[in-house]
Amino acid sequence: GAGVSQSPSNKVTEKGKDVELRCDPISGHTALYWYRQSLGQGLEFLIYFQGNSAPDKSGLPSDRFSAERTGGSVSTLTIQRTQQEDSAVYLCASSLALRGGGRETQYFGPGTRLLVL
Amino acid sequence: AQSVTQLGSHVSVSEGALVLLRCNYSSSVPPYLFWYVQYPNQGLQLLLKYTTGATLVKGINGFEAEFKKSETSFHLTKPSAHMSDAAEYFCAVSVLGGATNKLIFGTGTLLAVQP
Repeated sequence: GAGVSQSPSNKVTEKGKDVELRCDPISGHTALYWYRQSLGQGLEFLIYFQGNSAPDKSGLPSDRFSAERTGGSVSTLTIQRTQQEDSAVYLCASSLALRGGGRETQYFGPGTRLLVL
Repeated sequence: AQSVTQLGSHVSVSEGALVLLRCNYSSSVPPYLFWYVQYPNQGLQLLLKYTTGATLVKGINGFEAEFKKSETSFHLTKPSAHMSDAAEYFCAVSVLGGATNKLIFGTGTLLAVQP
């Protein structure tokens, strides 16, 4: 079956511009996650959506970052007024509903490579 | 708070040699532990995971890991390295806080396999 897909695969933007990154989770997965992978910080959790519950935004690094998930499926991560330090690979993952207290496997997409000039 | 430490950011082995990638965790509750592999310009792929039950976990591509509570370790091994095993490997612990489930990753180990 289809895995997690992300678009665009690569994005180059100028400092100060806004960008939108898209994630299509695996069909039937109600949990969706965004992570950021950068040279200096490694893999960091950004935000978590579970069904219709309020998202956990505790990992978002600043108020320039926001995310939404429409219809419990597709998610968009938006970065406003991009800065050079936002350059990273943004990874999306999805999993089945949270029943086992964290034992569910998270399936990752290929990522979006963002370069801010 | 949960955390993960991977010893050795770079490991090089010869083809056919034993692969040993080290992971130690810190957790105040019984942990759920994962190993993921990342090939160049790709996302993360699950190799194996430990939740409960048998402490020796077998995964894909001939990898296995053993959960040792007394040593707070979850080292990844493979008896005989293949060239195709060259990739970056991440150990992670699952953090359950309230209604949130997230992974805390180690800093990764880049495995090189020499012919």
